[in-house]
Parts: sequence; structure tokens; C-alpha cells
Amino acid sequence: KQEVTQIPAALSVPEGENLVLNCSFTDSAIYNLQWFRQDPGKGLTSLLLIQSSQREQTSGRLNASLDKSSGRSTLYIAASQPGDSATYLCAVMNSGYSTLTFGKGTMLLVSP
Amino acid sequence: GAGVSQSPSNKVTEKGKDVELRCDPISGHTALYWYRQSLGQGLEFLIYFQGNSAPDKSGLPSDRFSAERTGGSVSTLTIQRTQQEDSAVYLCASSQGSRARTGELFFGEGSRLTVL
Repeated sequence: KQEVTQIPAALSVPEGENLVLNCSFTDSAIYNLQWFRQDPGKGLTSLLLIQSSQREQTSGRLNASLDKSSGRSTLYIAASQPGDSATYLCAVMNSGYSTLTFGKGTMLLVSP
Repeated sequence: GAGVSQSPSNKVTEKGKDVELRCDPISGHTALYWYRQSLGQGLEFLIYFQGNSAPDKSGLPSDRFSAERTGGSVSTLTIQRTQQEDSAVYLCASSQGSRARTGELFFGEGSRLTVL
């Protein structure tokens, strides 16, 4: 059974810092890995999707990497802003195209 | 529609009552998912529909929970004889399905259920 772990559970940084969120998964036979953002009381917004054959994806100030063999992914946020404050969720889709298994998220607070 | 639409956004009910939650996926998306997010917990998979295939019901927590998808589009999640532990946010997502090969999921805003 796939298990996804996110570290740290919470992170507080001053505006302007670069930061890294970590995600690990136990079964390396994955179809893709997705990073989502969730604001309080809202649904999930897709940030980046990395296919199993890819090593990284970039969107603006966000960069996500994938090391399938070691079961790890990182989300790098450059020059953080208060608007980046949210919970970031990592999710893995197992091979064969099925459902997503989620980590419990990292709650990020960026202070002005 | 432009995105995944869920209704109601909030539902308060009494213990023992039945509730229905609705999800309208993105037009043309063949895959539809239901997840549950309880306070302080991660997202818990409930059920997955893919086209005309039999749904994957492996995440439904009890036989009080059921879901259907009519005409390959709108889905309804039904919870019978609600219990207080059913209180959670129920999230629906859709994707283009296996044909698109990307597997990217798009989520609705969720239905917050409170059982008194």
C-alpha cells in the first residue's frame, strides 16, 4: 500500500526566502506525482504534475523534482511571498492510472 | 463548465438523516473521484469512476456510503443514517481519464458536511 509522507508539517518563513518542501513515498511504481495548494476552506489547486519519466517541472517561482528510485520529491519555492501562505499537498498516482494517495501536507506561513 | 462544481457548499444535518452531495465534473472528463478530508486529517480516497467501467469502491468506509454517476457526467454521493464521524469536507475531482495519459486531477471547492 502506497504511503506518502510530507516534511515538515508546518513551516514559517519571512518574505523573500527560498524554501523547500519535501515529499516521500514508499512504492516507486508510480504513474505521476502531483503538487497541490489548498487555501483555508477551499478546494485543491493543481500546481505541478511530474510524469514518472520526468525529473522536474517548473512553473514561475515553483520547481518540483522527482527521484522515483529513492521515492522522493521536492517542491522549491523561490522568493516566497505572503500570498504563498497555504497548505501544500503532495499526491502520488500509482502505475496503471488509478487514484491519488495524498500526504498530510505542509502548512506554510510567509510573513511580510 | 469551466471547473468542477459541487453542491451544496455547506450542509448541516441531524444524526441519522440521509444526505446527498452532488458533483458536476469538467465537461468531457471521463474520470471522477470522491475524497473526504476530515479536520486535521489527510485526504481519504472514497470512490473512483472511469468511463463505463465498474467503479472502484475500495475506499468507501461503510455500506452507509454509496455513489452513482449518471450518463457518465454528474455524480451523487449518498450517506445514509449519518453519524457525527461523517462530518468532513467531501471533495470531488475529475480528470480527462486514461486516454489523456497525464492523470492530472482538477478539484471542486468541496461540500462541508456537519452532522449534529
